[in-house]
Amino acid sequence: QVQLQESGPGLVKPSQTLSLTCTVSGGSISSGDYFWSWIRQPPGKGLEWIGYIYYSGSTYYNPSLKSRVTISVDTSKNQFSLKLSSVTAADTAVYYCALQWPGDNWFDPWGQGTLVTVSS
Amino acid sequence: SYELTQPPSVSVSPGQTARITCSGDALPKQYAYWYQQKPGQAPVLVIYKDSERPSGIPERFSGSSSGTTVTLTISGVQAEDEADYYCQSADSSGTVVFGGGTKLTVL
Repeated sequence: QVQLQESGPGLVKPSQTLSLTCTVSGGSISSGDYFWSWIRQPPGKGLEWIGYIYYSGSTYYNPSLKSRVTISVDTSKNQFSLKLSSVTAADTAVYYCALQWPGDNWFDPWGQGTLVTVSS
Repeated sequence: SYELTQPPSVSVSPGQTARITCSGDALPKQYAYWYQQKPGQAPVLVIYKDSERPSGIPERFSGSSSGTTVTLTISGVQAEDEADYYCQSADSSGTVVFGGGTKLTVL
């Protein structure tokens, strides 16, 4: 059974770059069976899809965040990563990584999530 | 941009039936999915492809679709079902969209 775990700094300064990593266990990113996604949720608010990456490195980002987002993959470590540049307080959120089923676009399972606060 | 619209809140008494709707123009052409999220926890998929139930999800959870509206129905609501529920779909380009969420209160 695939499990995902987010890791990274919990505090980022405004204008800097947020960086998170998702480690996948119980399955291989290189299998090519799934997309690997990032989703975020500001405190007390709803969910926002950030984007996904395929094992080959191809990506698709939410147009609303595309100019600031980079998702990359390291198949040797079975990890994928998120970078969000020029952050502001509005980027404060719980960030989740999740397995996205291609074609049908549902998410299951999800990581437990990690809170990232943007503050000086 | 494409939007999915949910009621902010739904309240029911234990044992009653809760219905949570989600409206979107692309829903006749795109599947919808439903997630349950309890405080401090990650969302959990409870319905996929409009009406399919993942293994391990109780039978009281069901989904249906009619035109531009999909509905999550919870029959015989239990106290443990109190949570936020989110619908999710995608637009024609594959951009994933979530509804704003519905807080289900069990009275």
